[in-house]
Parts: sequence; structure tokens; C-alpha cells
Amino acid sequence: AQTIHQWPVAEIKAVGSPLSLGCTIKGKSSPNLYWYWQATGGTLQQLFYSITVGQVESVVQLNLSASRPKDDQFILSTEKLLLSHSGFYLCAWSRGGEEQYFGPGTRLTVL
Amino acid sequence: GQQVQQSPASLVLQEGENAELQCNFSSTATQLQWFYQSPGGSLVSLLSNPSGTKHTGRLTSTTVTKERRSSLHISSSQTTDSGTYLCAINNYGNEKITFGAGTKLTIKP
Repeated sequence: AQTIHQWPVAEIKAVGSPLSLGCTIKGKSSPNLYWYWQATGGTLQQLFYSITVGQVESVVQLNLSASRPKDDQFILSTEKLLLSHSGFYLCAWSRGGEEQYFGPGTRLTVL
Repeated sequence: GQQVQQSPASLVLQEGENAELQCNFSSTATQLQWFYQSPGGSLVSLLSNPSGTKHTGRLTSTTVTKERRSSLHISSSQTTDSGTYLCAINNYGNEKITFGAGTKLTIKP
């Protein structure tokens, strides 16, 4: 069975500080991977997707970047956090055009 | 780009009543998925239904592709059904996925 982990579970960070969020999928080779962001009370927005290692496509520009260093790992990061980065970050995987499965999410508070 | 509209925005029912949620989308979709999001929580996939009718437990989804709409019917609602229901669409080969704003369902005991 496939499992998806996200870390950390929650983060409180200062404006201007760096950020790195991680996502790992186990039990599935060559998954399509996705990052989503949801502001409190807002709509889920797709940020990035990756079909293969080393390749990441940006969907929405939020002064964030993503990387896929390994087949089973997806990283979301920024060098300088903004207040507007606060929210809930979700990682998901799929077999490409098929159903998506989500991780437990990371709640980020930027102060 | 694609747009997804869900209605109603919120729905309050008594336990045991049936719920009907709607999802309308602006362009063709080869993949449509319904999700449940608990308050402050992650998403759980309920049904994948790009066309036709699908059932699972107390849930029934009907998607009319030509009319670009899908519905989710929850029968005999329970208090544990409370949460937000999201509809998401995309097209095969296109990894850009669009979510609706959701329907917040509250089931009162």
C-alpha cells in the first residue's frame, strides 16, 4: 500500500526566514507529485507538479519554489517567508490524470 | 483556465436527512474527483467519477459530462459527515488541477 508523509506537521516561522517543507511517497514508483496551498477559509490552489525526478512545473507564483531530488520526494521551499505564505500546505500523488491521494498536510503560521 | 463552482456554499441539515451537493465546471474534464475535508484536516478521496453514476456506501455521484456538472448525494446523513466537500477536475495528460471552493456541510443531531 502507498503511504504519503509530510513534514513538519506544523511550523511557526518569522517573516523573512527560510522555509523547507517535505513530502515522501512510499510504495509507489514514479508517481506524479503535487503541492497545494490553502489559505484559512480559502480555496485549495495547486502550486507545483512534477512528473519525473528533477522536473518541476509551476502553476501559481507565490514566491515559492519546489524540487524533486528523488523519485519519492518533493520539497517546497523559499528563502524569505511572507505573511501571505501562512496556510495549509498539502502534498498529493497520482498515477497521472487519475485519482489523487493527499498527505496529512503542514500548517504554516508566519508571524 | 478552468473554473469550478460548487453549490450551495453551505448546507445545514438534521441527522438522517439527505444532502445534495453540486459541482459545475467551465470546460471539459476527463477526471473529476470528490473529496472530503475535515475541519483543519487533510483531504480524503470519496469518489472518482468523470462520467455516469457511481455509488459507494451512502454516497452517490452523478456526472453529466456534456452538461459539465456533477452531483454528490449523501443519504441518511450522520453528524460525522460534517465537514467540507470539494470537487476537483483535470484532463488526462494535463497535470493542472482545479478545485472548487467547496460546500460546508453541517449535520445537526
